[in-house]
Amino acid sequence: AQSVTQLDSQVPVFEEAPVELRCNYSSSVSVYLFWYVQYPNQGLQLLLKYLSGSTLVKGINGFEAEFNKSQTSFHLRKPSVHISDTAEYFCAVSSSDSNYQLIWGAGTKLIIKP
Amino acid sequence: EPEVTQTPSHQVTQMGQEVILRCVPISNHLYFYWYRQILGQKVEFLVSFYNNEISEKSEIFDDQFSVERPDGSNFTLKIRSTKLEDSAMYFCASSASRDRVWYFGPGTRLTVT
Repeated sequence: AQSVTQLDSQVPVFEEAPVELRCNYSSSVSVYLFWYVQYPNQGLQLLLKYLSGSTLVKGINGFEAEFNKSQTSFHLRKPSVHISDTAEYFCAVSSSDSNYQLIWGAGTKLIIKP
Repeated sequence: EPEVTQTPSHQVTQMGQEVILRCVPISNHLYFYWYRQILGQKVEFLVSFYNNEISEKSEIFDDQFSVERPDGSNFTLKIRSTKLEDSAMYFCASSASRDRVWYFGPGTRLTVT
């Protein structure tokens, strides 16, 4: 069965420092990959997506992610974080393996230290 | 930019009561979904809906749950007799096509007491 692993439940980082949130998935077929962000007490907002084409995907708020097929990874990065980036970040995958349902990672809480 | 809306934002109900959670998907979307997130846990798929019928449902979506698209705009999730373990954030999502991008609403926090 398809699965998504976000190894880090929490990532603390100082303001203006770079950050990488890791996401690995298991699938034997072509996948669509997503990062969603959930700000405190709010809903799920699409940050960026990979459907096809360039493996480096740019999203909102200065985030980007790179699809690495050989490593089955889709890590999220930002070169310089801001206090407003404090949120929980969810990686999600869909493919024919999951009948195109979104399979979610457990989420990573990004904690920005002043 | 069009967005998915959900009402109410927070619903408190007593165990055994019926609740209806409402969603207005993006107007030209054809596929509709309900997901839920129990506090501190993963987001879980409940049900997908297309062409006025359920296309897929998870094992969570038992006989206590039902979905309906009563008119051209609303998409509802009904829980017939709520249990304590139904307390969660319920997200509605819609998509223009089956294998593309889902747009989520802000969620309804359901608290069953």
